[in-house]
Amino acid sequence: ELKVEQNPLFLSMQEGKNYTIYCNYSTTSDRLYWYRQDPGKSLESLFVLLSNGAVKQEGRLMASLDTKARLSTLHITAAVHDLSATYFCAVDRPGNQFYFGTGTSLTVIP
Amino acid sequence: DVKVTQSSRYLVKRTGEKVFLECVQDMDHENMFWYRQDPGLGLRLIYFSYDVKMKEKGDIPEGYSVSREKKERFSLILESASTNQTSMYLCASRRTPPLAGGEQYFGPGTRLTVT
Repeated sequence: ELKVEQNPLFLSMQEGKNYTIYCNYSTTSDRLYWYRQDPGKSLESLFVLLSNGAVKQEGRLMASLDTKARLSTLHITAAVHDLSATYFCAVDRPGNQFYFGTGTSLTVIP
Repeated sequence: DVKVTQSSRYLVKRTGEKVFLECVQDMDHENMFWYRQDPGLGLRLIYFSYDVKMKEKGDIPEGYSVSREKKERFSLILESASTNQTSMYLCASRRTPPLAGGEQYFGPGTRLTVT
């Protein structure tokens, strides 16, 4: 069974600081996705990483994928309050199944 | 923009009732999915469909069934609702890779309470 682990599960950080969320997965996959979920809302797609070494950036968020290490990172630069949300990574496997991590709840404190 | 809509945002049902949750997507996606999301358990796949009238069980299909009569619509059915089915239900759709990035697009969710 494929496992997708995120850490940390909870992250409280000050505005202006940098931090990284890690997503490890237990079996081979060439596709990895990052999503954001605001409280009470649905999931919004942030990044699609389709190959080893892929790096995507949007604003203060940057995601990367190392398929050999089975690791993806979501790096937050100079955090602002608007980034407070829960972030999920998900791995795509043949057979059309996604496996989601448990999520990282990020709170950015002024 | 892809739009995925769900029939209700909030629903309250009684134990034993039959419950229908409907999902519609407007981007001609082949694949549609139903998840439930519970605190501490993340998202768990209930069923998915890769074509009209086709369905596959996910991780937790017990107590649920699905119907896909048209490409744009995917229904989740709780045959006899129970209190342990109180949850947030999320519908999603996507193109079959590699036609696109393959990401799933999610609906707004239905928060179901079974009393």
